[in-house]
Amino acid sequence: AQTVTQSQPEMSVQEAETVTLSCTYDTSESDYYLFWYKQPPSRQMILVIRQEAYKQQNATENRFSVNFQKAAKSFSLKISDSQLGDAAMYFCAYRIPSGAGSYQLTFGKGTKLSVIP
Amino acid sequence: KAGVTQTPRYLIKTRGQQVTLSCSPISGHRSVSWYQQTPGQGLQFLFEYFSETQRNKGNFPGRFSGRQFSNSRSEMNVSTLELGDSALYLCASSFTGGQNEQFFGPGTRLTVL
Repeated sequence: AQTVTQSQPEMSVQEAETVTLSCTYDTSESDYYLFWYKQPPSRQMILVIRQEAYKQQNATENRFSVNFQKAAKSFSLKISDSQLGDAAMYFCAYRIPSGAGSYQLTFGKGTKLSVIP
Repeated sequence: KAGVTQTPRYLIKTRGQQVTLSCSPISGHRSVSWYQQTPGQGLQFLFEYFSETQRNKGNFPGRFSGRQFSNSRSEMNVSTLELGDSALYLCASSFTGGQNEQFFGPGTRLTVL
């Protein structure tokens, strides 16, 4: 079965500090994309960062960066200089082809991040 | 551009009833995907529609169905509601699906009593 595992149901970080959320996945596909999504309380899910599996260079978006270890099937998210607005559920996901031009997202169970002032 | 909109935002139904949820994608987007989010199972893929055709379906019973209209708006229907259908139903749109980024709507919170 193709799965995404987020081993940390909850995490907390002090404001302005750095936190790393872990994610491992299991797929036999070679063509896939990896994502981190953020879902603030009662608000819409938004894309934080994406990583193409064929790219060796780790993706970076401002204070957000990933550590992509393809052989280990690991995809962690690092948030630097944490801000109160970073408090949310974070979901790791991958997207693989599902036939007929469709690509299916598979999500982990999420990590609830709290930011302490 | 306006984002993905979903109506209604909240619904309360009783067991055995049926329900229809609506999703309006971002203008120009032709792919709409639906997801069910529950505390126990997390986010699970329901189905994807592209150009009025269902081109992918998740592992859900036949009580869950959907359709897409020529303007790309999509509806999903759940018949014979069960308590376990209580969930947040999210839709996401993208330009053509595939490798394009998906943009999520705010969701419809369905409660089945």
